[in-house]
Amino acid sequence: KNEVEQSPQNLTAQEGEFITINCSYSVGISALHWLQQHPGGGIVSLFMLSSGKKKHGRLIATINIQEKHSSLHITASHPRDSAVYICAVSDTDKLIFGTGTRLQVFP
Amino acid sequence: EAGVAQSPRYKIIEKRQSVAFWCNPISGHATLYWYQQILGQGPKLLIQFQNNGVVDDSQLPKDRFSAERLKGVDSTLKIQPAKLEDSAVYLCASSLSRLAGSYNEQFFGPGTRLTVL
Repeated sequence: KNEVEQSPQNLTAQEGEFITINCSYSVGISALHWLQQHPGGGIVSLFMLSSGKKKHGRLIATINIQEKHSSLHITASHPRDSAVYICAVSDTDKLIFGTGTRLQVFP
Repeated sequence: EAGVAQSPRYKIIEKRQSVAFWCNPISGHATLYWYQQILGQGPKLLIQFQNNGVVDDSQLPKDRFSAERLKGVDSTLKIQPAKLEDSAVYLCASSLSRLAGSYNEQFFGPGTRLTVL
């Protein structure tokens, strides 16, 4: 069993839909990270959170430390949101990655 | 500020050949990471450097993989000889410093996509 599990693995949506990606982890952490990876490989950090909720534009990330669960929400999805979204956790200076959720948003 | 640079972006080789990847981290970043990302999986840490010293290489297949960061700046990752299962994206990341027990944001390069035929 992976230390970081994401669901769903693949997700398709119509432009404008509300998107939720879930992440569960089984290890102790100091922070949870949501990352975005576009075709071509580069990874960009979206959020780092250790409690509560963070919002940036149309993206919202929440974490429940007791349940070891986090969600990434995208409101009013757009085709440019199409990417792989990766959940990762850190305790010290290392990241443990989930396998990612491939999101495709169609016009 | 320039990001993490990697080259080449793509490489196709035959099995048993050798290949090398290059990474130039963000200026001033002391910590450098090499990850292997197989299609459909999350990145897996291969090796972590702090300046020119190795912090963690526990998941580096040392019979065929090697990495160095001689002057504490640029780094190269080599595979010799390559196997089919080495086909993956090799990502380099850097962070500002390594403080015991704390996390510093990692900045990723664009990756090198390796195909072994």
